[in-house]
This record gives sequence, structure tokens and C-alpha cells, in this order.
Amino acid sequence: AQSVTQPDIHITVSEGASLELRCNYSYGATPYLFWYVQSPGQGLQLLLKYFSGDTLVQGIKGFEAEFKRSQSSFNLRKPSVHWSDAAEYFCAISYSGNTPLVFGKGTRLSVIA
Amino acid sequence: GAVVSQHPSRVICKSGTSVKIECRSLDFQATTMFWYRQFPKQSLMLMATSNEGSKATYEQGVEKDKFLINHASLTLSTLTVTSAHPEDSSFYICSAKRQGAYEQYFGPGTRLTVT
Repeated sequence: AQSVTQPDIHITVSEGASLELRCNYSYGATPYLFWYVQSPGQGLQLLLKYFSGDTLVQGIKGFEAEFKRSQSSFNLRKPSVHWSDAAEYFCAISYSGNTPLVFGKGTRLSVIA
Repeated sequence: GAVVSQHPSRVICKSGTSVKIECRSLDFQATTMFWYRQFPKQSLMLMATSNEGSKATYEQGVEKDKFLINHASLTLSTLTVTSAHPEDSSFYICSAKRQGAYEQYFGPGTRLTVT
């Protein structure tokens, strides 16, 4: 069965510092991979996605993620965090693209001055 | 593009009444829509998948007679919580997907409170 693990429940970074949010998945083949962001009381916004090709994908708001097949990982990065990036981040996978998403439990990002 | 709306954003209802939540894709045709439930500080739990013109597929443990889903058009899906009880209080989020596309676009969510 597919599963997604986000090992960090809560991360705090200083504004301007770099950020890496971890995501590991369990699936026999390469799934379709997504990162979403959710602000409090809001829906989810798609940050970026990976289906195939270049393993480093660029997303919106200055985020990028790298797919590493050998590690079954799809970590999200940003070189310089802004206070407005404080939110909940969800990694998700879909094994065929037409099937429902399987979400990780989320990582809450706090940004301090 | 790819905007999904939900209405209402918040609703308070009395125990025993029914509530309907609408999910609309505003600028694209959504052949598939999904309904999720999210508890405070939790991840999203898939409730059901609906394809336009056919019956919804419910996840295990979700009561289909309690959570009625209709996907009558390519831009609208509705979730009706029937005979609501306080334990149905939650944040309900829908998402929509174009035919042939892989990504889902999410609505802003509906906060349901049953008193």
C-alpha cells in the first residue's frame, strides 16, 4: 500500500534562513508526487509536482523539490524563507495520476524574526 | 486558471438537520471531484471520489447514506450531510481534477459546526 511520511511535525526557522521539508514515500514504482501548502482555515494550494523527467522541479513562491528515487524521497526546499511562508505543508502521492491523493500528516512551518 | 470554490465557507446547524455544501470548478471542467475531511491539526482524510454522471465511490468507513454526494455537472459537486450530529463537525474540503490531468485543485474548505 502507498504511504507518505513527513518525519517533521513542526519546524521553526528564522526569516531569511533556508528551509528543507522532508517527505518519503512507500510505493513499488515511481508515483506522481505533489507538495501542497495550507494556510490556517484555508484550502490547499499546489506548490509543485513531479511526474517524470528532470528530478529537480521548480514551483511557485520560490519553492523547489528534488525527487530521489534511491531514497524514495521528494524533499521541499526554499533558499530564503519569508514570514508569509508560515503554514502547513503537505506532501502527497498518487500512483496513477487518476487515483486519489495519499497525504502525509503534514509539517507545520513557523517563521521567526 | 484552475480555481475551485466552495459554498458556504462556514455553516452552523442544529443537530438532526441536513446541510449541503457546494463545490464548483470555476474555470475548467472537472470530470472527477474528491471530498475530504480534515480534523484540527490533522491531515486530510479522503471521504469519496465522484465522477460526473456516476455514483460516488466512498472510502471504507464513510457512511454513504449520511454523506450524500452528487456530481451532476462538470462544474458542480455537492456534499449533503444528513441528520448532522456534533461529531460531524469538521472542515470539509473538495478538490477537482480535469480529465487527463494529474493534479488536483482544492477549494477553500467549509467549516461545519453542529450544535
